[in-house]
Amino acid sequence: EDQVTQSPEALRLQEGESSSLNCSYTVSGLRGLFWYRQDPGKGPEFLFTLYSAGEEKEKERLKATLTKKESFLHITAPKPEDSATYLCAVQDNFNKFYFGSGTKLNVKP
Amino acid sequence: NAGVTQTPKFQVLKTGQSMTLQCAQDMNHNSMYWYRQDPGMGLRLIYYSASEGTTDKGEVPNGYNVSRLNKREFSLRLESAAPSQTSVYFCASTRPRDTGELFFGEGSRLTVL
Repeated sequence: EDQVTQSPEALRLQEGESSSLNCSYTVSGLRGLFWYRQDPGKGPEFLFTLYSAGEEKEKERLKATLTKKESFLHITAPKPEDSATYLCAVQDNFNKFYFGSGTKLNVKP
Repeated sequence: NAGVTQTPKFQVLKTGQSMTLQCAQDMNHNSMYWYRQDPGMGLRLIYYSASEGTTDKGEVPNGYNVSRLNKREFSLRLESAAPSQTSVYFCASTRPRDTGELFFGEGSRLTVL
């Protein structure tokens, strides 16, 4: 059964304090792993797609990496505007997307 | 640039009432999805449509029906609403080759009393 687990559930950082979010997965044929950002009252907003182990993607203060069993979202020197819930999802061979429960990030100034 | 549009944005129902959530996308996407999001549960797939005329069950399909009316529209129907269906519902779609990311609507917040 396809499964996605994210940790931690919540993370509080001081502005400038770097950290990482984890996404571990089991899936029947990984077509892609996706990271999304979700602000309160909004739909998820796409950040990155990773397709194979060893792949990395960067965008501003965010960097996503992928291994055969997990993905990390590294946040370098975060700012208060990075506060949001970060969701991880996997796409399987049947073209279905399964999501983790998310990590709620709070960055204090 | 409408993207994925959901209606209504908010709805309050009484137990046993029925309603339909509407979703339309203007990006020429083949695949469309309905998810529900509950606190601490993340997004759970209700139904999925790979293309016009096809639908498939997801993780939590009980109590719901769907219709893929045409390529643009994918509706979700609650025939007899229950308090357990109180949730935020999201519609999403993917690009024609289906190897890209999901594009989401803004969500529909449903409360069943």
